[in-house]
Amino acid sequence: GGIITQTPKFLIGQEGQKLTLKCQQNFNHDTMYWYRQDSGKGLRLIYYSITENDLQKGDLSEGYDASREKKSSFSLTVTSAQKNEMAVFLCASRDWGNQDTQYFGPGTRLLVL
Amino acid sequence: AQKVTQTQTSISVMEKTTVTMDCVYETQDSSYFLFWYKQTASGEIVFLIRQDSYKKENATVGHYSLNFQKPKSSIGLIITATQIEDSAVYFCAMREDYNQGKLIFGQGTKLSIKP
Repeated sequence: GGIITQTPKFLIGQEGQKLTLKCQQNFNHDTMYWYRQDSGKGLRLIYYSITENDLQKGDLSEGYDASREKKSSFSLTVTSAQKNEMAVFLCASRDWGNQDTQYFGPGTRLLVL
Repeated sequence: AQKVTQTQTSISVMEKTTVTMDCVYETQDSSYFLFWYKQTASGEIVFLIRQDSYKKENATVGHYSLNFQKPKSSIGLIITATQIEDSAVYFCAMREDYNQGKLIFGQGTKLSIKP
């Protein structure tokens, strides 16, 4: 089995601050994703990467940057945190061999003061 | 553009009964894949079941099954013999064939199982 870890678990930032979220997976999966989940809402795709050094924009990419320097890691940067913003950021990786399942990490909870 | 819609915000049923959660989707693609995921109260998200658009048989896994109605662009999730631990938020998702794994999720349905 494998696991996806996300750091930090909680992130409190200030308005206008640049904030970075990290994700690591040991499944050896090629494709990784970043989603945003607002309270009581579904998951919206921010960025995804089909291989090392590849980046693809999702529907919610504005205001974010991403980086995939290694196959096992995928980082997301909030370029300028918005005041009163509160959301959970979920990282996932894709398993072609198991019904094209996505495995999700535990999430990073962001609060901007 | 593709879209996935779950109109039921929340459902509450008695334990050991059967529940159906609705999901409709929009796509221009002739080949696509539909998924259901479960998010527990702890926030953990797990894959439940998948339906490929070219398959006529409804997928079944354990006490989860799907009601795939292609002409209606509908993919309902059926849970039989519900248990307390089935209480969670259920998300429907779709991937179009040409997409490199990009999933579009619905808004989710919160299921509560009463003892």
